[in-house]
Amino acid sequence: EAQVTQNPRYLITVTGKKLTVTCSQNMNHEYMSWYRQDPGLGLRQIYYSMNVEVTDKGDVPEGYKVSRKEKRNFPLILESPSPNQTSLYFCASAPQGRIGTGELFFGEGSRLTVL
Amino acid sequence: DAKTTQPPSMDCAEGRAANLPCNHSTISGNEYVYWYRQIHSQGPQYIIHGLKNNETNEMASLIITEDRKSSTLILPHATLRDTAVYYCIVESGGSNYKLTFGKGTLLTVNP
Repeated sequence: EAQVTQNPRYLITVTGKKLTVTCSQNMNHEYMSWYRQDPGLGLRQIYYSMNVEVTDKGDVPEGYKVSRKEKRNFPLILESPSPNQTSLYFCASAPQGRIGTGELFFGEGSRLTVL
Repeated sequence: DAKTTQPPSMDCAEGRAANLPCNHSTISGNEYVYWYRQIHSQGPQYIIHGLKNNETNEMASLIITEDRKSSTLILPHATLRDTAVYYCIVESGGSNYKLTFGKGTLLTVNP
């Protein structure tokens, strides 16, 4: 089954404790990205990756890091989480990084709470 | 990117067609119309997209007016599981597959 898998799905952590949210896709997609969703603000893009070793900032990259060492994986790293990073996070992938070339698949989401 | 306008909420009876409108009067020639939906807090799910022509797939139909200033998503036989927030998104073919989600339309399918 074609899917984007995120882990953990739920996490409660404390300020400053480094954490990583993993994302893996099994569709051989070149493009991957991360969004966060907050009430009243919709979904906002954090980072994206056009292909292996190629990453770039989205609209709200502050406080986050990413890496793309393998085509299938695109982890989101919070080096020193703060309460304003409490959010619902989604990983997404697409065959290519251009709109119109195929659908953008989303993972099921990771709900993160930073105390 | 063009801005879209959708009604905040709509109701539909189970088994009937659900017609969700979207206004995108400032759309430009190279911008696609995408529809996604989000059931509760699950990941957004792709429904359909189009550029100029009407489109149909196993989930829905997309009707785009000739001037491209508005479109309608049609779910032919709505079920309770179609209750979700539906997003109409207009994006150009840039080099970053970024979708800008607005507030969408909450479609409630009633038994």
